[in-house]
Amino acid sequence: EVQLVESGGGLVQLGGSLRLSCVASGFMFSRDWMAWVRQAPGKGLEWLAMIRGDGNERGSVDSVEGRFTISRDNAKNSLYLQMNNLRAEDTAVYYCTRGWLGTFDIWGQGTMLTVSS
Amino acid sequence: QSALTQPRSVSGSPGQSVTISCNGTSSDVGAYNYISWYQHHPGKAPKDIICDVTKRLSGVPDRFSGSKSGSTASLTISGLRADDEADYYCSSYAGSNIYVFGTGTKVTVL
Repeated sequence: EVQLVESGGGLVQLGGSLRLSCVASGFMFSRDWMAWVRQAPGKGLEWLAMIRGDGNERGSVDSVEGRFTISRDNAKNSLYLQMNNLRAEDTAVYYCTRGWLGTFDIWGQGTMLTVSS
Repeated sequence: QSALTQPRSVSGSPGQSVTISCNGTSSDVGAYNYISWYQHHPGKAPKDIICDVTKRLSGVPDRFSGSKSGSTASLTISGLRADDEADYYCSSYAGSNIYVFGTGTKVTVL
C-alpha cells in the first residue's frame, strides 16, 4: 500500500526546536522528490520545502529559509523537517507529500504542531 | 513567493456549474504549465484532482476540468454534487524548485 506517515508533532515552546519525520512505503522513495506542506488553523495550504530523490537539490519558501531544513534518509525511506526558532505562526498541521511530474500526488494524514509561549 | 489568489468561496445548486479562478503572476502561473488543483475535505489529506493545467488524475470524474489563460488558471466543476463540497486549492511551480499554493476556495453546494 502506498502510504506516507508523519510523526513528531506536539507542543513546543516559543523559540524551541523540533524535527518532524515522515516514513514512506509502497513506492520507490529514493527516486522521488518529496515536500512538506502545512496548514495553519483556519488558513490555507502553504508549500514549505522540497528535496530531490538523491538529496542533492532543495527548494524552500523564503518565510522558513534559515529556520527550517528539509532532509531525507533513503535507507530508512524517511523524510525530515528540522524546525528551529519556532514562532507562534508556525502552529499548523504539517503534511508530507510526494512531488510527481509537477503535482503532489501522495499525502500523509498530517502531524499537528502547536507553538506556545 | 506570494500565494496565488483565489476567491474565498463559491456556491451553486446541485447540477449547476461553478468556476474557481487562480490568479498568479508571470513568474508562476504565467510561466509554467505545472498547475495543479487539489480537493481538501477538513481533517483529511488533500487529494490532487488536476495536474498539468488540464489533466484529470485517475478516477477523477470528467465533471472536473482545468484551464489556463495568461497568469490565471481555472477549475470548473460541472454537474455539482453534494460531495463536491470541500476546499479547493490551486498550485503552481514558480521556478528554482519552489511551488506556491493558492489561498483556497470553499465550495458550497446549496
